This record gives sequence, structure tokens and C-alpha cells, in this order.
Amino acid sequence: GDSVTQMEGPVTLSEEACLTINCTYTATGYPSLFWYVQYPGEGLQLLLKATKADDKGSNKGFEATYRKETTSFHLEKGSVQVSDSAVYFCALSYGNKLVFGAGTILRVKS
Amino acid sequence: DTEVTQTPKHLVMGMTNKKSLKCEQHMGHRAMYWYKQKAKKPPELMFVYSYEKLSINESVPSRFSPECPNSSLLNLHLHALQPEDSALYLCASSQVTREGRNSPLHFGNGTRLTVT
Repeated sequence: GDSVTQMEGPVTLSEEACLTINCTYTATGYPSLFWYVQYPGEGLQLLLKATKADDKGSNKGFEATYRKETTSFHLEKGSVQVSDSAVYFCALSYGNKLVFGAGTILRVKS
Repeated sequence: DTEVTQTPKHLVMGMTNKKSLKCEQHMGHRAMYWYKQKAKKPPELMFVYSYEKLSINESVPSRFSPECPNSSLLNLHLHALQPEDSALYLCASSQVTREGRNSPLHFGNGTRLTVT
């Protein structure tokens, strides 16, 4: 079945460091891909999305590119802030189901 | 502020109680979802409603009973729960596109449920 694999955390970075969180997927069709972020005590918020191969999603300085050849959707940010500390979930959607990865905790220190 | 509103924010209930979780959205979305999230885990899909009809039940025990009274409201009725049902219960909504794919989900902030 469809699945998403994310790098394990927690990832701990200093402020202004570069961030990459790896995400790969397995799907039988052509899913849409998403990154969601969950801040402490809150629900999930859509961070960015891509619906077809080579699409690049971007928001709040975060980027991810839909790579069909490597079945990947890695999340990147050039300079993280303390306020980026949260749990990041990679997900794929096919039909009306959303399949999540395990989540990666990001901790940014000042 | 989230556009999906869930009440209550916190709920403590005994194993013999009956309670309900409520979810409301006014974005005109025709698909609504219940997810369960345990600590440090991703959300797990429980139910999906599409056009007010139940379209997916992920083999959820009958002590959880969903209801979609109209296109803006989604309820989850709880009865005879177990302590292991303690979790964050998230509601979400989305549009349904022409191709049958759903647009990105909009999540509420959840109800933190504790079963004693």
C-alpha cells in the first residue's frame, strides 16, 4: 500500500542553520504530496504542497520539490528560526485518504 | 486562527460515560474527517464523510460513532471508552475536486481526551 518514510528525529539546529528533512514515498499512482507542521498544543497546519512531478511547493521560507524519479519530497529551509521548532509531517494524498509519515521533531536553539 | 473549530478543547470521561466531540467548519468543504493522534505519533484516520455520507470507516470500534448532521458539522459520539482511547482527536475538512481527489486538509486544534 501507499506509505511515507521520513528521517527520524529529533533534529536539533542552531538558529540560522540550514534544514533538510528527508521524505520518500511509495505509491501505486500519482499522489499529491504535502508537508504539514504541528506546533505544541495545536492541530496540523498545511505548510506546502505539490501535485505533480517537478512541482516545487514553498511557504514561509520552506521549500520542497516533487521528485518522481527518486520518489522524494525533501523539506528544506535556508535559515531556521526558534519559532520553527515543531513536528513536521510529510504526507501523500490519493483519492480522499491522507497517509502520513511518522513525523520529525525539529528543535531550534538560539 | 484555525477555520475548523473543535469543542471541547479538553475532555475527561469515565469508562461508563457518554460524551460527544463536535467539529464545525464554514469553508463550504464537503469532505470531513476524524483522526486520532497519540503522543509523538502521526494522526491515524478514523472516518471520512463525503457529501454528508460516511465513505470511509477504518475499522474503528463501535464505541466511536460518527455523525454528520449537515455539511458544516461533524460529531463523534463516545460511549464505553477504554483508557487506551485517550488521545488527541482531530477533525479536518477539505473540498472535493472534480477528479475525486480532495484538496489539502484543514485541521482543527483537536480535543484532548482522557479516559479514566
